[in-house]
Amino acid sequence: KAGVTQTPRYLIKTRGQQVTLSCSPISGHRSVSWYQQTPGQGLQFLFEYFSETQRNKGNFPGRFSGRQFSNSRSEMNVSTLELGDSALYLCASSLEVQGRGAPLHFGNGTRLTVT
Amino acid sequence: SQQGEEDPQALSIQEGENATMNCSYKTSINNLQWYRQNSGRGLVHLILIRSNEREKHSGRLRVTLDTSKKSSSLLITASRAADTASYFCAPIQGAQKLVFGQGTRLTINP
Repeated sequence: KAGVTQTPRYLIKTRGQQVTLSCSPISGHRSVSWYQQTPGQGLQFLFEYFSETQRNKGNFPGRFSGRQFSNSRSEMNVSTLELGDSALYLCASSLEVQGRGAPLHFGNGTRLTVT
Repeated sequence: SQQGEEDPQALSIQEGENATMNCSYKTSINNLQWYRQNSGRGLVHLILIRSNEREKHSGRLRVTLDTSKKSSSLLITASRAADTASYFCAPIQGAQKLVFGQGTRLTINP
């Protein structure tokens, strides 16, 4: 079974631009979650989608948004990029909604650099 | 949701030695998961222990859970260079999002 696939692997953007990151979950997984990882803040939860509905959202500004499609693939978008948005963005899929015991399966992330 | 606090923040041992890292949390849980992250990669699920379990094994991994002390430990026996990674715990109460702490950075020296 193929793992979680995140594209692109690396991305360089300029302040003020917007960016869209993509995540393809493991086949059959309906939950997709996104995390931001930085050296200073560690792993921060962004949001979780399950069956195309946003189930949970972290404490991030409205510039961060996401969506999930009927095939469970997910995208997250960051508008008006700031230098502080430079991070590793991780996507994780799961059979069930978070917290019910099913493990999260993570992709290898998208490394976003904002200059 | 609650965040687990891993301790120590960093651990450096010789190959072949055992590594123990701890996780503390604040409120009651249904289960607790451990994850590993190699540098620049995604997290990998290692093991889940439920609140009614006290110990669980998986290969060279041994996880214990003490709900009275609200703590868990992860023991890696006969460490290898490939075990060099950051380790995170995620205490879970109900259908809540997983919140990760800063993790324990484990370095295995040859």
